Amino acid sequence: GAVVSQHPSRVICKSGTSVKIECRSLDFQATTMFWYRQFPKQSLMLMATSNEGSKATYEQGVEKDKFLINHASLTLSTLTVTSAHPEDSSFYICSAKGGGGLNTEAFFGQGTRLTVV
Amino acid sequence: AQSVTQPDIHITVSEGASLELRCNYSYGATPYLFWYVQSPGQGLQLLLKYFSGDTLVQGIKGFEAEFKRSQSSFNLRKPSVHWSDAAEYFCAVGSYNNNDMRFGAGTRLTVKP
Repeated sequence: GAVVSQHPSRVICKSGTSVKIECRSLDFQATTMFWYRQFPKQSLMLMATSNEGSKATYEQGVEKDKFLINHASLTLSTLTVTSAHPEDSSFYICSAKGGGGLNTEAFFGQGTRLTVV
Repeated sequence: AQSVTQPDIHITVSEGASLELRCNYSYGATPYLFWYVQSPGQGLQLLLKYFSGDTLVQGIKGFEAEFKRSQSSFNLRKPSVHWSDAAEYFCAVGSYNNNDMRFGAGTRLTVKP
């Protein structure tokens, strides 16, 4: 299958700072990227969906000013956690899918463990 | 609204034994169903998916799943579990474009020697 690379895999930041997480599709053009958040021993919760060149669509309850998503190219989307606080500590996972209509599979990155201290 | 229920939070099986992980879904239209596996601290790997056609789908690593519309279920099975299968398993339902994929809470599989 296609490869989605997420960077960094782990990051520790101080409370009040911002941190950027990158999600890259290495061998296909990702028209749509998804950002998920996963709490320990829980499922993935969709945070937002972004289409290349458009503003991201956020799920209810997700603060768009806190979780800035940029999808400026067909191979890169970034999630910036602004003014991070300890409660933002979590595992963040992106997925990406190309165009192609029916049966287009979404491929997942390896995830980023964010710890805010 | 679509939703997925995985009734079993944790399952323990002996190596070599058969496995069945349950998944029930609620979806207003034709569901597109997926099973993913996640190792600790890792992303998700697709095991198999069902879009249409034969209701018994084969996946990677010897897994299979059967779509039963009458029961709104998509259970995952494996005839003989290996120690390397220990992981978290997620069932997901989505539309054809996956833009609204929803995941179940996951089932953690432990494999006893």
